[in-house]
Amino acid sequence: ETGVTQTPRHLVMGMTNKKSLKCEQHLGHNAMYWYKQSAKKPLELMFVYNFKEQTENNSVPSRFSPECPNSSHLFLHLHTLQPEDSALYLCASSMRPITDTQYFGPGTRLTVL
Amino acid sequence: KNEVEQSPQNLTAQEGEFITINCSYSVGISALHWLQQHPGGGIVSLFMLSSGKKKHGRLIATINIQEKHSSLHITASHPRDSAVYICAVYFGNEKLTFGTGTRLTIIP
Repeated sequence: ETGVTQTPRHLVMGMTNKKSLKCEQHLGHNAMYWYKQSAKKPLELMFVYNFKEQTENNSVPSRFSPECPNSSHLFLHLHTLQPEDSALYLCASSMRPITDTQYFGPGTRLTVL
Repeated sequence: KNEVEQSPQNLTAQEGEFITINCSYSVGISALHWLQQHPGGGIVSLFMLSSGKKKHGRLIATINIQEKHSSLHITASHPRDSAVYICAVYFGNEKLTFGTGTRLTIIP
């Protein structure tokens, strides 16, 4: 399998649930990203990891907790989310952070009830 | 303030027309990305530019550093080009800022 994969593709959760989004890349890249895309809003960069180290956190609420155990895997742990957190969550990877071409996963469509 | 503006917000054209989408930004940048997002959400990176011009198939991207402006052109447009085109700018302060996107519809 090649490219960037994300699971699950769709997720519905209550505000008290805890869930995790998973991203995996098979491109040999060193940088991985989480993005949020809400309806009628621009893409927002949430987190950047480079060689497993978090290099950027764009003032994301603590109810979103990223984890990068190695350069190929990235998780986004979710707990006590709000309905306004419903969005498309996209993962991407690149060889070097930010300035290199990024390859995107298909996204997870999250609905918080 | 680091700002990115795209125009037009929506564009409808007939198949075969030459398409231009514009992106303007407020201050000097390190790099600019053009992305394509199809219905359903999938995003493809089209170009990364820091100067000059790049071409890939029917797509051409240009950037004018002095005017703080980039354009994405599509020649011989086709219905499969229908998508949202997004400009993203790296201002060199570890921030990647995205435009609101241009929704392109090509009518057969």
